[in-house]
Amino acid sequence: DADVTQTPRNRITKTGKRIMLECSQTKGHDRMYWYRQDPGLGLRLIYYSFDVKDINKGEISDGYSVSRQAQAKFSLSLESAIPNQTALYFCATSRDRLGYTFGSGTRLTVV
Amino acid sequence: GIQVEQSPPDLILQEGANSTLRCNFSDSVNNLQWFHQNPWGQLINLFYIPSGTKQNGRLSATTVATERYSLLYISSSQTTDSGVYFCATPRSGAGSYQLTFGKGTKLSVIP
Repeated sequence: DADVTQTPRNRITKTGKRIMLECSQTKGHDRMYWYRQDPGLGLRLIYYSFDVKDINKGEISDGYSVSRQAQAKFSLSLESAIPNQTALYFCATSRDRLGYTFGSGTRLTVV
Repeated sequence: GIQVEQSPPDLILQEGANSTLRCNFSDSVNNLQWFHQNPWGQLINLFYIPSGTKQNGRLSATTVATERYSLLYISSSQTTDSGVYFCATPRSGAGSYQLTFGKGTKLSVIP
Protein backbone atom coordinates (compact mmCIF):
# COMPACT_ATOMS: atom_id res chain seq x y z
CA ASP A 1 0.00 0.00 0.00
CA ALA A 2 1.12 3.55 -0.73
CA ASP A 3 2.35 5.69 2.16
CA VAL A 4 0.01 8.52 1.17
CA THR A 5 -3.24 7.52 -0.48
CA GLN A 6 -5.56 9.92 -2.23
CA THR A 7 -9.09 9.15 -3.34
CA PRO A 8 -10.51 9.45 -5.87
CA ARG A 9 -7.74 9.43 -8.50
CA ASN A 10 -9.95 11.12 -11.05
CA ARG A 11 -13.23 12.97 -10.71
CA ILE A 12 -15.49 14.92 -12.99
CA THR A 13 -18.10 17.04 -11.28
CA LYS A 14 -20.57 19.74 -12.22
CA THR A 15 -20.40 23.41 -11.33
CA GLY A 16 -22.03 24.10 -7.98
CA LYS A 17 -21.62 20.60 -6.59
CA ARG A 18 -19.91 19.89 -3.29
CA ILE A 19 -16.99 17.51 -3.54
CA MET A 20 -14.57 15.99 -1.05
CA LEU A 21 -11.07 14.74 -1.78
CA GLU A 22 -9.65 12.39 0.78
CA CYS A 23 -6.12 11.70 1.93
CA SER A 24 -4.83 9.09 4.32
CA GLN A 25 -1.27 8.30 5.34
CA THR A 26 0.62 5.50 7.02
CA LYS A 27 3.82 7.50 7.57
CA GLY A 28 2.90 8.54 11.10
CA HIS A 29 3.64 12.17 10.22
CA ASP A 30 1.95 14.98 12.10
CA ARG A 31 2.16 17.50 9.26
CA MET A 32 -0.19 17.23 6.30
CA TYR A 33 -0.74 19.53 3.34
CA TRP A 34 -2.99 20.07 0.35
CA TYR A 35 -1.45 21.52 -2.80
CA ARG A 36 -2.96 22.39 -6.13
CA GLN A 37 -1.08 22.11 -9.45
CA ASP A 38 -2.05 24.02 -12.55
CA PRO A 39 -0.16 23.74 -15.83
CA GLY A 40 2.81 26.11 -15.88
CA LEU A 41 2.24 27.32 -12.32
CA GLY A 42 3.90 24.70 -10.18
CA LEU A 43 2.27 23.67 -6.92
CA ARG A 44 0.50 26.11 -4.64
CA LEU A 45 -0.45 25.51 -1.03
CA ILE A 46 -4.16 25.42 -0.19
CA TYR A 47 -4.22 24.33 3.48
CA TYR A 48 -1.89 22.72 5.96
CA SER A 49 -2.21 21.08 9.34
CA PHE A 50 0.44 20.45 11.96
CA ASP A 51 -1.79 18.23 14.07
CA VAL A 52 -5.45 17.36 14.53
CA LYS A 53 -6.21 20.62 16.33
CA ASP A 54 -4.14 22.86 14.06
CA ILE A 55 -5.46 23.93 10.65
CA ASN A 56 -4.01 26.80 8.66
CA LYS A 57 -4.80 28.53 5.39
CA GLY A 58 -2.28 28.50 2.61
CA GLU A 59 -1.89 30.97 -0.22
CA ILE A 60 -5.01 29.96 -2.18
CA SER A 61 -7.58 28.78 0.39
CA ASP A 62 -10.61 30.68 -0.94
CA GLY A 63 -13.32 28.27 -2.08
CA TYR A 64 -11.84 25.35 -0.14
CA SER A 65 -12.19 23.91 3.35
CA VAL A 66 -10.44 21.06 5.13
CA SER A 67 -11.00 18.60 7.92
CA ARG A 68 -8.34 16.74 9.90
CA GLN A 69 -10.35 13.79 11.17
CA ALA A 70 -7.36 12.01 12.70
CA GLN A 71 -3.59 12.16 12.55
CA ALA A 72 -3.71 9.98 9.45
CA LYS A 73 -6.59 11.62 7.59
CA PHE A 74 -6.87 15.05 5.98
CA SER A 75 -9.76 15.87 3.65
CA LEU A 76 -10.20 18.75 1.24
CA SER A 77 -13.67 20.00 0.31
CA LEU A 78 -14.89 22.24 -2.45
CA GLU A 79 -18.16 23.64 -1.13
CA SER A 80 -19.45 24.76 -4.52
CA ALA A 81 -17.15 23.69 -7.32
CA ILE A 82 -16.38 26.11 -10.14
CA PRO A 83 -14.58 25.46 -13.43
CA ASN A 84 -11.37 27.31 -12.45
CA GLN A 85 -10.91 24.75 -9.67
CA THR A 86 -10.12 22.21 -12.36
CA ALA A 87 -6.60 21.09 -11.44
CA LEU A 88 -4.42 18.31 -10.12
CA TYR A 89 -4.59 18.13 -6.32
CA PHE A 90 -1.86 16.67 -4.14
CA CYS A 91 -1.84 15.69 -0.53
CA ALA A 92 1.54 15.56 1.21
CA THR A 93 2.94 14.72 4.60
CA SER A 94 6.16 15.58 6.36
CA ARG A 95 7.85 14.74 9.62
CA ASP A 96 10.37 17.50 9.32
CA ARG A 97 12.14 19.49 6.63
CA LEU A 98 13.55 16.36 5.06
CA GLY A 99 10.73 13.94 4.78
CA TYR A 100 8.12 15.11 2.31
CA THR A 101 5.94 12.39 0.80
CA PHE A 102 3.33 13.17 -1.82
CA GLY A 103 0.26 11.19 -2.77
CA SER A 104 -0.38 10.21 -6.37
CA GLY A 105 -2.72 13.13 -6.94
CA THR A 106 -6.41 13.61 -7.72
CA ARG A 107 -7.26 14.98 -11.14
CA LEU A 108 -10.41 17.05 -10.73
CA THR A 109 -12.42 18.43 -13.62
CA VAL A 110 -15.30 20.82 -12.99
CA VAL A 111 -17.67 21.17 -15.94
CA GLY B 1 7.05 35.77 0.53
CA ILE B 2 9.98 34.19 -1.14
CA GLN B 3 10.04 33.94 -4.94
CA VAL B 4 11.40 30.86 -6.70
CA GLU B 5 12.35 30.97 -10.38
CA GLN B 6 13.44 28.02 -12.47
CA SER B 7 15.17 27.90 -15.81
CA PRO B 8 14.90 26.82 -18.49
CA PRO B 9 11.13 26.23 -18.56
CA ASP B 10 11.51 23.54 -21.20
CA LEU B 11 14.42 21.35 -22.23
CA ILE B 12 14.73 18.67 -24.88
CA LEU B 13 17.71 16.34 -24.73
CA GLN B 14 19.03 13.48 -26.75
CA GLU B 15 19.47 10.36 -24.68
CA GLY B 16 22.97 10.31 -23.21
CA ALA B 17 23.37 14.08 -23.03
CA ASN B 18 24.03 16.04 -19.84
CA SER B 19 22.00 18.94 -18.55
CA THR B 20 21.89 21.58 -15.85
CA LEU B 21 18.70 22.95 -14.36
CA ARG B 22 18.75 26.14 -12.34
CA CYS B 23 16.71 27.44 -9.42
CA ASN B 24 17.02 31.04 -8.20
CA PHE B 25 15.38 32.25 -5.01
CA SER B 26 14.74 35.78 -3.87
CA ASP B 27 15.87 35.49 -0.27
CA SER B 28 18.22 33.44 1.85
CA VAL B 29 17.00 29.92 2.49
CA ASN B 30 17.91 27.13 4.85
CA ASN B 31 15.87 24.45 3.12
CA LEU B 32 15.94 23.75 -0.61
CA GLN B 33 14.48 20.66 -2.16
CA TRP B 34 14.35 19.21 -5.66
CA PHE B 35 11.46 17.06 -6.86
CA HIS B 36 10.81 15.07 -10.01
CA GLN B 37 7.30 14.67 -11.35
CA ASN B 38 7.16 11.76 -13.76
CA PRO B 39 4.86 11.72 -16.79
CA TRP B 40 2.23 9.93 -14.73
CA GLY B 41 2.11 12.78 -12.24
CA GLN B 42 3.92 11.17 -9.32
CA LEU B 43 6.11 13.55 -7.31
CA ILE B 44 9.35 12.15 -5.95
CA ASN B 45 11.70 13.95 -3.58
CA LEU B 46 15.18 13.92 -5.15
CA PHE B 47 17.33 16.02 -2.86
CA TYR B 48 17.22 18.01 0.31
CA ILE B 49 20.12 20.42 -0.32
CA PRO B 50 20.19 23.61 1.79
CA SER B 51 23.87 24.08 0.91
CA GLY B 52 26.78 22.25 -0.63
CA THR B 53 26.66 19.38 -3.08
CA LYS B 54 24.99 15.97 -3.02
CA GLN B 55 25.04 13.15 -5.53
CA ASN B 56 22.70 10.28 -6.15
CA GLY B 57 23.67 8.15 -9.12
CA ARG B 58 23.52 10.20 -12.30
CA LEU B 59 21.92 13.13 -10.50
CA SER B 60 23.66 15.69 -8.37
CA ALA B 61 22.65 18.99 -6.86
CA THR B 62 24.53 22.03 -5.64
CA THR B 63 23.15 24.91 -3.61
CA VAL B 64 25.07 28.15 -3.09
CA ALA B 65 22.92 29.73 -0.42
CA THR B 66 24.92 32.97 -0.25
CA GLU B 67 24.27 33.57 -3.96
CA ARG B 68 20.68 32.33 -3.78
CA TYR B 69 20.70 29.58 -6.36
CA SER B 70 20.70 25.84 -6.72
CA LEU B 71 21.63 23.65 -9.67
CA LEU B 72 20.48 20.16 -10.57
CA TYR B 73 22.80 18.18 -12.84
CA ILE B 74 21.62 15.22 -14.86
CA SER B 75 24.35 13.22 -16.53
CA SER B 76 23.95 10.61 -19.26
CA SER B 77 20.24 11.32 -19.45
CA GLN B 78 17.78 8.50 -20.02
CA THR B 79 14.21 8.55 -21.29
CA THR B 80 13.06 7.74 -17.76
CA ASP B 81 14.42 11.13 -16.66
CA SER B 82 11.63 12.83 -18.59
CA GLY B 83 9.11 14.80 -16.61
CA VAL B 84 9.01 18.05 -14.69
CA TYR B 85 11.65 19.04 -12.16
CA PHE B 86 10.65 21.38 -9.35
CA CYS B 87 12.69 23.15 -6.74
CA ALA B 88 10.96 24.25 -3.56
CA THR B 89 11.77 26.11 -0.39
CA PRO B 90 9.78 27.10 2.72
CA ARG B 91 7.58 30.15 2.41
CA SER B 92 9.11 31.98 5.34
CA GLY B 93 10.89 31.44 8.58
CA ALA B 94 13.46 28.92 9.66
CA GLY B 95 10.82 26.68 11.19
CA SER B 96 8.41 26.74 8.29
CA TYR B 97 7.56 23.53 6.54
CA GLN B 98 5.17 24.84 3.91
CA LEU B 99 6.93 24.76 0.58
CA THR B 100 6.92 27.39 -2.16
CA PHE B 101 7.51 25.75 -5.52
CA GLY B 102 9.02 27.11 -8.68
CA LYS B 103 7.08 26.65 -11.91
CA GLY B 104 9.27 23.77 -12.95
CA THR B 105 11.50 22.71 -15.83
CA LYS B 106 9.88 20.28 -18.23
CA LEU B 107 12.50 17.82 -19.48
CA SER B 108 11.96 15.60 -22.48
CA VAL B 109 14.65 13.01 -23.21
CA ILE B 110 14.33 11.53 -26.68
CA PRO B 111 15.91 8.24 -27.80
